[in-house]
Amino acid sequence: NAGVTQTPKFQVLKTGQSMTLQCAQDMNHEYMSWYRQDPGMGLRLIHYSVGAGITDQGEVPNGYNVSRSTTEDFPLRLLSAAPSQTSVYFCASSYGQGLYGYTFGSGTRLTVV
Amino acid sequence: AQKITQTQPGMFVQEKEAVTLDCTYDTSDPSYGLFWYKQPSSGEMIFLIYQGSYDQQNATEGRYSLNFQKARKSANLVISASQLGDSAMYFCAMRDGLSGGYQKVTFGTGTKLQVIP
Repeated sequence: NAGVTQTPKFQVLKTGQSMTLQCAQDMNHEYMSWYRQDPGMGLRLIHYSVGAGITDQGEVPNGYNVSRSTTEDFPLRLLSAAPSQTSVYFCASSYGQGLYGYTFGSGTRLTVV
Repeated sequence: AQKITQTQPGMFVQEKEAVTLDCTYDTSDPSYGLFWYKQPSSGEMIFLIYQGSYDQQNATEGRYSLNFQKARKSANLVISASQLGDSAMYFCAMRDGLSGGYQKVTFGTGTKLQVIP
């Protein structure tokens, strides 16, 4: 049971480049989210999804797109990378909208130069 | 306004002593959940403990307990008999928003705990 798998683990981008951070879970979880973690700011919600075909914005959605075509996958797209997007990105999933804890991926450390 | 407030950026505790990490929250939803996560230096996020807003008793998981004071809107984490492996960043989080639509999980800024031998 792999849980939540994020790829890549590390990435360096040049300003203006685009890329997709991959996230896949094999637990049949309905609820998936993307967070970014910056020093002193905790984890901030970028986008989330409550099921295939349903996504919504979180606290810091600008510059990011998501889609949820299957229950398993929830990719995060950076449209035109900026140095302000240098961060550690976490994907997380949980069962339903109920009062359940998240299972987190191992994170992607992204540097934009 | 901050939904989750952790006022202790860093704390020290002697090995084998108990330590309390503070967390206050703000929500108008009657149904919500409170969580604590541990993030060791390796970076992964580890779920520790959960408390539901309607739970009558404080949650416990091994050496972790959650001191839930609903009227004061606090959800402090108590770690008993601290171990060196407890040195990590600890995040408090809340899931709410059911009355307004889909629930979201909001995290605090974290408390860095260092256990001293």
